[in-house]
Amino acid sequence: SYELTQPPSVSVSPGQTASITCSGDKLGDKYASWYQQKPGQSPVLVIYQDTKRPSGIPERFSGSNSGNTAALTISGTQAMDEADYYCQAWDSSTVVFGGGTKLTVL
Amino acid sequence: EVQLLESGGGLVQPGGSLRLSCAASGFTFSSYAMTWVRQAPGKGLEWVSGITGSGGSTYYADSVKGRFIISRDNSKNTLYLQMDYLRAEDTAVYYCAKGSGSSTGGAFNIWGQGTMVTVSS
Repeated sequence: SYELTQPPSVSVSPGQTASITCSGDKLGDKYASWYQQKPGQSPVLVIYQDTKRPSGIPERFSGSNSGNTAALTISGTQAMDEADYYCQAWDSSTVVFGGGTKLTVL
Repeated sequence: EVQLLESGGGLVQPGGSLRLSCAASGFTFSSYAMTWVRQAPGKGLEWVSGITGSGGSTYYADSVKGRFIISRDNSKNTLYLQMDYLRAEDTAVYYCAKGSGSSTGGAFNIWGQGTMVTVSS
Protein backbone atom coordinates (compact mmCIF):
# COMPACT_ATOMS: atom_id res chain seq x y z
CA SER A 1 0.00 0.00 0.00
CA TYR A 2 1.04 3.58 -0.63
CA GLU A 3 2.74 5.42 2.20
CA LEU A 4 3.50 9.06 2.96
CA THR A 5 6.35 9.81 5.36
CA GLN A 6 6.66 12.99 7.42
CA PRO A 7 9.17 13.97 10.12
CA PRO A 8 7.54 13.60 13.56
CA SER A 9 8.56 17.09 14.65
CA VAL A 10 9.91 20.37 13.36
CA SER A 11 10.94 23.37 15.44
CA VAL A 12 11.18 26.97 14.29
CA SER A 13 11.78 30.35 15.88
CA PRO A 14 9.10 33.02 15.56
CA GLY A 15 9.50 34.98 12.35
CA GLN A 16 11.61 32.31 10.68
CA THR A 17 10.68 29.92 7.89
CA ALA A 18 9.42 26.43 8.67
CA SER A 19 9.47 23.63 6.14
CA ILE A 20 7.67 20.32 6.57
CA THR A 21 8.31 17.54 4.09
CA CYS A 22 6.18 14.64 2.93
CA SER A 23 7.76 11.78 1.00
CA GLY A 24 6.13 9.11 -1.14
CA ASP A 25 6.90 7.13 -4.25
CA LYS A 26 6.41 9.41 -7.28
CA LEU A 27 4.40 11.79 -5.09
CA GLY A 28 5.06 14.52 -7.62
CA ASP A 29 2.76 12.69 -10.04
CA LYS A 30 -0.13 13.12 -7.61
CA TYR A 31 -1.74 16.17 -6.00
CA ALA A 32 -0.71 16.80 -2.40
CA SER A 33 -2.85 18.54 0.18
CA TRP A 34 -1.94 19.78 3.65
CA TYR A 35 -4.04 20.08 6.79
CA GLN A 36 -3.41 21.95 10.02
CA GLN A 37 -4.81 20.58 13.27
CA LYS A 38 -4.58 22.39 16.58
CA PRO A 39 -5.19 20.58 19.88
CA GLY A 40 -8.84 19.70 20.40
CA GLN A 41 -9.85 21.02 16.98
CA SER A 42 -10.79 19.53 13.64
CA PRO A 43 -8.31 19.58 10.75
CA VAL A 44 -8.27 22.61 8.46
CA LEU A 45 -7.18 22.51 4.82
CA VAL A 46 -4.27 24.91 4.25
CA ILE A 47 -2.90 23.79 0.86
CA TYR A 48 -4.53 21.83 -1.98
CA GLN A 49 -3.41 20.79 -5.46
CA ASP A 50 0.21 21.12 -4.31
CA THR A 51 0.36 24.92 -4.21
CA LYS A 52 -3.10 26.48 -3.84
CA ARG A 53 -4.37 28.19 -0.72
CA PRO A 54 -8.06 28.09 0.24
CA SER A 55 -9.64 31.44 0.95
CA GLY A 56 -8.83 32.65 4.43
CA ILE A 57 -5.47 30.90 4.64
CA PRO A 58 -2.64 33.42 5.13
CA GLU A 59 -0.16 34.00 2.32
CA ARG A 60 2.68 32.82 4.54
CA PHE A 61 1.54 29.25 3.83
CA SER A 62 2.86 27.81 0.56
CA GLY A 63 3.38 24.40 -0.95
CA SER A 64 5.44 22.54 -3.52
CA ASN A 65 5.54 19.03 -4.92
CA SER A 66 8.13 17.43 -7.18
CA GLY A 67 9.73 14.05 -7.57
CA ASN A 68 9.11 12.07 -4.41
CA THR A 69 8.66 14.99 -2.02
CA ALA A 70 6.00 17.55 -1.24
CA ALA A 71 6.69 20.37 1.15
CA LEU A 72 4.70 22.83 3.20
CA THR A 73 6.50 26.08 3.87
CA ILE A 74 5.45 28.65 6.44
CA SER A 75 7.21 31.99 6.04
CA GLY A 76 7.40 34.37 8.98
CA THR A 77 6.08 31.68 11.31
CA GLN A 78 3.85 32.91 14.09
CA ALA A 79 3.04 31.39 17.46
CA MET A 80 -0.48 30.66 16.20
CA ASP A 81 0.98 28.31 13.57
CA GLU A 82 2.04 25.82 16.24
CA ALA A 83 0.02 22.73 15.37
CA ASP A 84 0.12 19.26 13.84
CA TYR A 85 0.35 19.20 10.06
CA TYR A 86 -0.69 16.30 7.83
CA CYS A 87 -0.03 15.74 4.15
CA GLN A 88 -2.54 13.80 2.08
CA ALA A 89 -2.73 12.30 -1.39
CA TRP A 90 -4.90 9.91 -3.37
CA ASP A 91 -3.70 6.54 -4.58
CA SER A 92 -5.95 4.20 -6.56
CA SER A 93 -9.20 5.63 -5.21
CA THR A 94 -7.99 5.51 -1.62
CA VAL A 95 -6.84 8.39 0.55
CA VAL A 96 -3.47 8.34 2.24
CA PHE A 97 -2.40 10.61 5.08
CA GLY A 98 1.11 11.13 6.28
CA GLY A 99 1.83 10.37 9.91
CA GLY A 100 1.79 14.03 10.87
CA THR A 101 4.38 16.57 11.93
CA LYS A 102 4.22 18.54 15.16
CA LEU A 103 5.39 22.08 14.49
CA THR A 104 6.77 23.81 17.57
CA VAL A 105 7.33 27.56 17.51
CA LEU A 106 9.88 28.52 20.14
CA GLU B 1 -22.45 28.93 6.27
CA VAL B 2 -21.09 25.58 5.18
CA GLN B 3 -21.37 23.16 8.07
CA LEU B 4 -21.05 19.47 8.88
CA LEU B 5 -22.42 18.05 12.11
CA GLU B 6 -21.65 14.48 13.13
CA SER B 7 -23.67 12.44 15.59
CA GLY B 8 -24.16 8.85 16.70
CA GLY B 9 -20.92 8.19 18.54
CA GLY B 10 -20.77 6.51 21.90
CA LEU B 11 -19.61 3.50 23.89
CA VAL B 12 -20.14 0.08 22.34
CA GLN B 13 -18.93 -3.40 23.20
CA PRO B 14 -16.55 -5.30 20.93
CA GLY B 15 -18.52 -6.97 18.18
CA GLY B 16 -21.27 -4.40 18.41
CA SER B 17 -22.61 -1.89 15.91
CA LEU B 18 -23.07 1.87 15.60
CA ARG B 19 -24.36 4.16 12.88
CA LEU B 20 -22.81 7.58 12.53
CA SER B 21 -24.58 10.44 10.79
CA CYS B 22 -23.23 13.66 9.32
CA ALA B 23 -25.76 16.40 8.62
CA ALA B 24 -24.63 18.86 5.96
CA SER B 25 -25.82 22.41 5.38
CA GLY B 26 -24.83 25.48 3.41
CA PHE B 27 -23.92 23.76 0.13
CA THR B 28 -25.45 21.54 -2.56
CA PHE B 29 -24.80 18.24 -0.82
CA SER B 30 -25.37 15.98 -3.83
CA SER B 31 -22.68 17.80 -5.82
CA TYR B 32 -19.83 16.75 -3.56
CA ALA B 33 -18.06 13.57 -2.62
CA MET B 34 -17.87 12.96 1.10
CA THR B 35 -15.51 11.02 3.29
CA TRP B 36 -15.03 9.68 6.81
CA VAL B 37 -11.67 10.10 8.56
CA ARG B 38 -10.86 8.89 12.05
CA GLN B 39 -8.27 9.74 14.65
CA ALA B 40 -7.43 7.39 17.50
CA PRO B 41 -6.53 9.09 20.80
CA GLY B 42 -3.13 10.72 20.47
CA LYS B 43 -2.64 9.39 16.94
CA GLY B 44 -2.73 10.74 13.41
CA LEU B 45 -5.47 10.93 10.80
CA GLU B 46 -6.65 7.71 9.16
CA TRP B 47 -8.94 7.67 6.14
CA VAL B 48 -11.88 5.29 6.58
CA SER B 49 -14.24 5.55 3.61
CA GLY B 50 -15.44 7.77 0.80
CA ILE B 51 -18.48 8.11 -1.44
CA THR B 52 -19.14 10.04 -4.63
CA GLY B 53 -21.75 12.79 -4.83
CA SER B 54 -24.34 10.55 -6.44
CA GLY B 55 -23.61 7.72 -4.04
CA GLY B 56 -22.88 5.45 -6.95
CA SER B 57 -19.32 4.63 -5.92
CA THR B 58 -17.92 3.86 -2.51
CA TYR B 59 -14.39 3.26 -1.26
CA TYR B 60 -12.99 1.75 1.93
CA ALA B 61 -9.73 1.41 3.79
CA ASP B 62 -8.59 -2.19 4.11
CA SER B 63 -8.92 -1.92 7.89
CA VAL B 64 -12.70 -1.50 7.69
CA LYS B 65 -13.62 -3.27 4.45
CA GLY B 66 -16.38 -5.78 5.01
CA ARG B 67 -17.33 -4.27 8.39
CA PHE B 68 -18.28 -0.65 7.61
CA ILE B 69 -20.72 0.68 5.01
CA ILE B 70 -20.82 4.27 3.85
CA SER B 71 -24.00 5.70 2.38
CA ARG B 72 -25.76 9.00 1.82
CA ASP B 73 -29.27 10.33 1.51
CA ASN B 74 -29.09 13.35 -0.76
CA SER B 75 -32.73 14.21 -0.06
CA LYS B 76 -31.83 14.61 3.61
CA ASN B 77 -28.35 16.11 3.07
CA THR B 78 -26.95 13.41 5.33
CA LEU B 79 -23.95 11.09 5.19
CA TYR B 80 -23.86 7.83 7.13
CA LEU B 81 -21.36 5.28 8.33
CA GLN B 82 -22.73 1.93 9.45
CA MET B 83 -20.10 0.25 11.61
CA ASP B 84 -20.50 -3.45 12.42
CA TYR B 85 -18.24 -5.98 14.15
CA LEU B 86 -16.51 -3.17 15.99
CA ARG B 87 -13.09 -3.76 17.50
CA ALA B 88 -11.10 -1.98 20.18
CA GLU B 89 -8.84 -0.56 17.48
CA ASP B 90 -11.83 1.25 15.96
CA THR B 91 -11.86 3.56 18.99
CA ALA B 92 -11.38 7.07 17.63
CA VAL B 93 -12.89 10.42 16.87
CA TYR B 94 -14.71 10.09 13.56
CA TYR B 95 -14.82 13.13 11.28
CA CYS B 96 -16.88 13.60 8.16
CA ALA B 97 -15.36 15.85 5.53
CA LYS B 98 -16.51 17.42 2.28
CA GLY B 99 -14.67 16.78 -0.94
CA SER B 100 -13.94 19.47 -3.48
CA GLY B 101 -15.92 17.88 -6.30
CA SER B 102 -18.52 15.24 -7.05
CA SER B 103 -15.97 12.51 -7.67
CA THR B 104 -12.97 11.38 -5.71
CA GLY B 105 -9.52 12.85 -6.03
CA GLY B 106 -9.68 16.23 -4.41
CA ALA B 107 -8.88 17.71 -1.04
CA PHE B 108 -11.26 17.92 1.91
CA ASN B 109 -12.13 21.53 2.44
CA ILE B 110 -14.71 21.34 5.20
CA TRP B 111 -14.58 19.11 8.29
CA GLY B 112 -17.12 18.41 11.00
CA GLN B 113 -16.37 18.66 14.70
CA GLY B 114 -16.10 14.90 15.08
CA THR B 115 -17.91 12.26 17.12
CA MET B 116 -16.18 9.91 19.55
CA VAL B 117 -16.55 6.16 19.22
CA THR B 118 -15.29 4.01 22.06
CA VAL B 119 -15.20 0.24 21.70
CA SER B 120 -14.73 -1.38 25.07
CA SER B 121 -16.23 -4.02 27.32
